[in-house]
Amino acid sequence: GQQLNQSPQSMFIQEGEDVSMNCTSSSIFNTWLWYKQDPGEGPVLLIALYKAGELTSNGRLTAQFGTTRKDSFLNISASIPSDVGIYFCAGQTTDSWGKLQFGAGTQVVVTP
Amino acid sequence: GAGVSQSPSNKVTEKGKDVELRCDPISGHTALYWYRQSLGQGLEFLIYFQGNSAPDKSGLPSDRFSAERTGGSVSTLTIQRTQQEDSAVYLCASSLTQDPSRGYTFGSGTRLTVV
Repeated sequence: GQQLNQSPQSMFIQEGEDVSMNCTSSSIFNTWLWYKQDPGEGPVLLIALYKAGELTSNGRLTAQFGTTRKDSFLNISASIPSDVGIYFCAGQTTDSWGKLQFGAGTQVVVTP
Repeated sequence: GAGVSQSPSNKVTEKGKDVELRCDPISGHTALYWYRQSLGQGLEFLIYFQGNSAPDKSGLPSDRFSAERTGGSVSTLTIQRTQQEDSAVYLCASSLTQDPSRGYTFGSGTRLTVV
């Protein structure tokens, strides 16, 4: 079953604002990934994290692997209209080799 | 091909009918995954194939669901005697290795509607 709790479920923000979302779990993860899904498309990988405490950036995106290995967050700075979409966290636990578990997603809507 | 290709992109079927969904992974990718995305939900793992190893079928929700991967390439997900709760987007993904932490490449999905 679903082990990842992703929040918030949706966000309505103005262009230029910063966005923050997170995922938590009761299980320990050895990998955290963040994906973005545009309407009618499959998710696309944004950032991958492999070590506790790791902080990684990809342009205006920054993600961190929590030190407890049970959480991760994604920040988007200075949002633009094309940031609209659904953002998913995903992770792999030590006992689920070969497959990822996904959060329920955060719907981001950017208004001008 | 350049990406993961899924067909059909949309499928409407009557309750009780069988459906087949097709996935063409990226050439050379040894791992292939099927996920299901219900409205407003995250991605639910169904099954994955890695090379010639036995597939991991642990996510299939019932014995009405089955999948094959022929020749280590194309995969078909079959749903028998479809039910309305089977309505969802079925996503296929492939990766170069068995390690999903390096990222899957997803197809655009097949939207299945059971009426």
